[in-house]
Amino acid sequence: EDKVVQSPLSLVVHEGDTVTLNCSYEVTNFRSLLWYKQEKKAPTFLFMLTSSGIEKKSGRLSSILDKKELFSILNITATQTGDSAVYLCAVDVNNNDMRFGAGTRLTVKP
Amino acid sequence: EPEVTQTPSHQVTQMGQEVILRCVPISNHLYFYWYRQILGQKVEFLVSFYNNEISEKSEIFDDQFSVERPDGSNFTLKIRSTKLEDSAMYFCASTKRAGGTSPLHFGNGTRLTVT
Repeated sequence: EDKVVQSPLSLVVHEGDTVTLNCSYEVTNFRSLLWYKQEKKAPTFLFMLTSSGIEKKSGRLSSILDKKELFSILNITATQTGDSAVYLCAVDVNNNDMRFGAGTRLTVKP
Repeated sequence: EPEVTQTPSHQVTQMGQEVILRCVPISNHLYFYWYRQILGQKVEFLVSFYNNEISEKSEIFDDQFSVERPDGSNFTLKIRSTKLEDSAMYFCASTKRAGGTSPLHFGNGTRLTVT
């Protein structure tokens, strides 16, 4: 059975802190790993990772994949209250048939 | 930026009734999907659709479910005879290319409540 496990399940930090969110996976067919941010409704796309060791960056967010150890991390530096959301990790196992993790609920306090 | 739009945002129905959830994918996207998220649980894949036919479907997508692209813009999910456990947020998504080469763009979802 395909598994995507995220940790921690929830995290409370203060503005300015740096956070690292973890995602480990065990799937039969790996195509890519994606990170999404879910605030109120629709998950919005952050990163797609297909190759190990190549860091993707977008502003204060960055992510990297380790296909040997089967995990990915999402880093957020200098957190802001607007970063408060559920961060979803998903593994594409077949043409956007994705297995989602349970998410990490991040709360950033002022 | 183009968006995936879903209607209605919230649908309440009685057990056993049929519901149709509607989606307008991004106009130049070719691959369409339905996902659902039961309250407090993971987002789950239901079905993918390309070239007017189902490409993949999950175990959840049983005979009670069907999808259709009735015209050039709409993509619908029909649940024939709703059950209490169908209560969930249903997300439509679309993408330009398949094979995990381009990310899904999600709509804001339809919250279905079955009473």
